[in-house]
Amino acid sequence: AQSVAQPEDQVNVAEGNPLTVKCTYSVSGNPYLFWYVQYPNRGLQFLLKYITGDNLVKGSYGFEAEFNKSQTSFHLKKPSALVSDSALYFCAVREASSYKLIFGSGTRLLVRP
Amino acid sequence: ETGVTQTPRHLVMGMTNKKSLKCEQHLGHNAMYWYKQSAKKPLELMFVYNFKEQTENNSVPSRFSPECPNSSHLFLHLHTLQPEDSALYLCASSQKLADAYNEQFFGPGTRLTVL
Repeated sequence: AQSVAQPEDQVNVAEGNPLTVKCTYSVSGNPYLFWYVQYPNRGLQFLLKYITGDNLVKGSYGFEAEFNKSQTSFHLKKPSALVSDSALYFCAVREASSYKLIFGSGTRLLVRP
Repeated sequence: ETGVTQTPRHLVMGMTNKKSLKCEQHLGHNAMYWYKQSAKKPLELMFVYNFKEQTENNSVPSRFSPECPNSSHLFLHLHTLQPEDSALYLCASSQKLADAYNEQFFGPGTRLTVL
């Protein structure tokens, strides 16, 4: 069965500092991995995805994520955080053989000025 | 958010009311989804439609009734709901259900409150 874990309910970082939001997954086959962001009173917005190839994936708004197969992780990163990055971030996984996208419980990112 | 639209954005209803949520996607996608987002819980997939055909009912109570008249429109009909059904209901679409690498595009959601 597919599953996703986001071990941190909240991540706090100062503006200008690098940020990391953690995600680990469990699937029986090859994973397709996604990151979404949700701002207050809004739907989820797609940030980036890993399908195959280069382990470092670049996405919207300067975010990137690193796929690590041995650690079954797909951590979201940004070199320099902005206050406007404060939002709820969701990691999701889908197996090639399934049409279900499984979401983690979300991590709230708070960037302080 | 013109790709996937949802109406209404907010809905308050009593337990004996009947109401409907509407979703429309302008992306030419073939798959559409309903999700429920409750506080402190992961997103729950409720229904999946592929080319207007329902392919998934994720053990959702019958008081939720989906309808997909065409690939662009999706409805969620609500009747005799319970207070625990209060949540944000999100609609999403994707290009092809069978292509697992396709990302889903989400609407802004309907915030439902059941009194």
